[in-house]
Amino acid sequence: GESVGLHLPTLSVQEGDNSIINCAYSNSASDYFIWYKQESGKGPQFIIDIRSNMDKRQGQRVTVLLNKTVKHLSLQIAATQPGDSAVYFCAERYSGGGADGLTFGKGTHLIIQP
Amino acid sequence: GAVVSQHPSRVICKSGTSVKIECRSLDFQATTMFWYRQFPKQSLMLMATSNEGSKATYEQGVEKDKFLINHASLTLSTLTVTSAHPEDSSFYICSAREHGIRHNEQFFGPGTRLTVL
Repeated sequence: GESVGLHLPTLSVQEGDNSIINCAYSNSASDYFIWYKQESGKGPQFIIDIRSNMDKRQGQRVTVLLNKTVKHLSLQIAATQPGDSAVYFCAERYSGGGADGLTFGKGTHLIIQP
Repeated sequence: GAVVSQHPSRVICKSGTSVKIECRSLDFQATTMFWYRQFPKQSLMLMATSNEGSKATYEQGVEKDKFLINHASLTLSTLTVTSAHPEDSSFYICSAREHGIRHNEQFFGPGTRLTVL
C-alpha cells in the first residue's frame, strides 16, 4: 500500500540553530497532515497540522510547509533547544476513504548538540 | 484538556496468556479510538479503528481474533492480545478523536510496553 517516508533518519544540529525535517508522502489524495514528536518510551505528541488547502502554517517556533506538487512535507523548528531532542514523525490521512487512521512516516531522530 | 490514558504502562506476561490494555479519554468523549503498534526504532502502524457500539475495523494483516477490541463506552476502548507470543512484544499506543468533531486531531495515549516471555 501507499506509505509516508522520510529522507533522513537522523539529524544532528547545534543548539540554537534551525532544524528542517523532511517527509515525502505518496498518497496524493491525502488531505490532512500532522507532525508528531515522540520522546523515548512515550506516546506521540502533537506539534502542528496542516490541511491540503494550505501550503504553510506557523506555530510557536515551528512551521510546516506543504508542497502538493511534489508531495513533500517539512517541519521547521526555529532556535532548537535541548528539549527538542526526540523522534519526529509526519503522518497523513485521507478523510474521504472512510477510515480515519493515520499513516505514519518512518521517523527522524533529531539530536541537539550543545 | 484532551488527555488520553493507557493502563497498564508496562506488562510482562508468559507466552500463551492473554493481556488486556485499556485506553481512556479522560476529559472528552471519543466515538472513535485507534490502536497502533510500534516496534523498536520503527514507526507506528495502525492496527485497528475502534468505534463505540460497533465492531472494530482491522487493517490488512492484523488478526481480529488475536487482537480483540471492545469499545463499550465513549471513554473506554480495550485491546486484548490473546495467546500472546514473543513476537507480539511491542509498544501499543492508542489514540482518540473527540466525538462530533470531524477533521480533529487525534490525541495519543502514553503507550503500553508489552513483553512476552
